[in-house]
Amino acid sequence: EIVMTQSPATLSVSPGERATLSCRASQSVGNNLAWYQQKPGQAPRLLVYGAFTRATGIPARFSGSGSGTEFTLTISSLQSEDFAVYYCQQYDKWPPRTFGQGTKVEVK
Amino acid sequence: EVQLLESGGGLVQPGGSLRLSCAASGFTFSSYDMTWVRQAPGKGLEWVSAISISGSTTTYGDSVKGRFTISRDNSKNTLYLQMSSLRVEDTAVYFCARRYDFWDYWGQGTLVTVSP
Repeated sequence: EIVMTQSPATLSVSPGERATLSCRASQSVGNNLAWYQQKPGQAPRLLVYGAFTRATGIPARFSGSGSGTEFTLTISSLQSEDFAVYYCQQYDKWPPRTFGQGTKVEVK
Repeated sequence: EVQLLESGGGLVQPGGSLRLSCAASGFTFSSYDMTWVRQAPGKGLEWVSAISISGSTTTYGDSVKGRFTISRDNSKNTLYLQMSSLRVEDTAVYFCARRYDFWDYWGQGTLVTVSP
């Protein structure tokens, strides 16, 4: 099973600042990496797939990068609606599909 | 507009059974693999099961293998998850999602509570 590790667990950021979230895979997953945003009481929302391709309707302030075992999600200028929990997920090898434990982005 | 609407959750005793449904609309259901993902209260996301377009191929996570059965009825645009031998640790919100690799559309989830 591929283990996904996200850091930090919590990121405190002021509105308008940049946020950088990290995700590490226990073995290479190529570019088969997705990022999701989840707000309280809501379903996850796909942000990025293929490590760097934004999903339909996702603002350009969200960008994904990386390959192999190291990945980054960058939010260039945090808006109020961006405070949420973010998960990475690998889909290179399965079963199972595996998620990171999440990074909570909170208001500083 | 793509919509996925789960139903069937509720309170059940350990050892009991429950069947979840996911009604799909706004896309050609029979053209997509489908997946169930769950989230225990206050916890992260866990992949549960996936099913191929025709239903001929199914895959399960180790924690539910042998207890849960995924199925679909393409004539009814509906995905199912039959859960049996339920355990307290199966308590979670269960989401259905479109695709098998990454998930571009999700339902709002249905809560399953397993408690004596």
